[in-house]
Amino acid sequence: GAGVSQSPSNKVTEKGKDVELRCDPISGHTALYWYRQSLGQGLEFLIYFQGNSAPDKSGLPSDRFSAERTGGSVSTLTIQRTQQEDSAVYLCASSLQIGGSLGDTQYFGPGTRLTVL
Amino acid sequence: GEDVEQSLFLSVREGDSSVINCTYTDSSSTYLYWYKQEPGAGLQLLTYIFSNMDMKQDQRLTVLLNKKDKHLSLRIADTQTGDSAIYFCAESLTGGGNKLTFGTGTQLKVEL
Repeated sequence: GAGVSQSPSNKVTEKGKDVELRCDPISGHTALYWYRQSLGQGLEFLIYFQGNSAPDKSGLPSDRFSAERTGGSVSTLTIQRTQQEDSAVYLCASSLQIGGSLGDTQYFGPGTRLTVL
Repeated sequence: GEDVEQSLFLSVREGDSSVINCTYTDSSSTYLYWYKQEPGAGLQLLTYIFSNMDMKQDQRLTVLLNKKDKHLSLRIADTQTGDSAIYFCAESLTGGGNKLTFGTGTQLKVEL
């Protein structure tokens, strides 16, 4: 079936504005992850959702960052009052489940390139 | 703590073998992965190895894991120009909810 999709592919915003990034995981995948790829920090984990459990938010860099996952499927990553250091590629991944098996393999979307001017 | 290191660049001639190395510090890794990223594209899973294995072969790809030294390598046989990309190793930790910790990435350049 279709892979992980993300929108928009590119987003340019002004410092101080809020942005929303969307991720559509692979159908049937219960786990969803957000990562950030930036020049200075490489690839960093941000947050993950697993089914109806409370999300692991341990990677979110500040309280300006939040994410939701509605109906166990689509997820939105929101960045409030964007700063220039938020400029990065935001990657979403999904996996069938969590728990130490082949089904845990994460499949990544193409990413959203965010530029904060 | 979690720290995954890779060399930044590797240049090989077409047809030669490429070996990309990765070291990690957390001994509680469960799975170790290799991802490929081409320019402007997302991450493509190449292969993975479970931490109780020493080697895994998949067509042109061979993964070697030395758990004692916390060293992982990816060998690409008969390297082609289409293999030019950035390669990331990543680890997931026991009890870590499968969130991945990525290496710094190795840019592989294949020359004719």
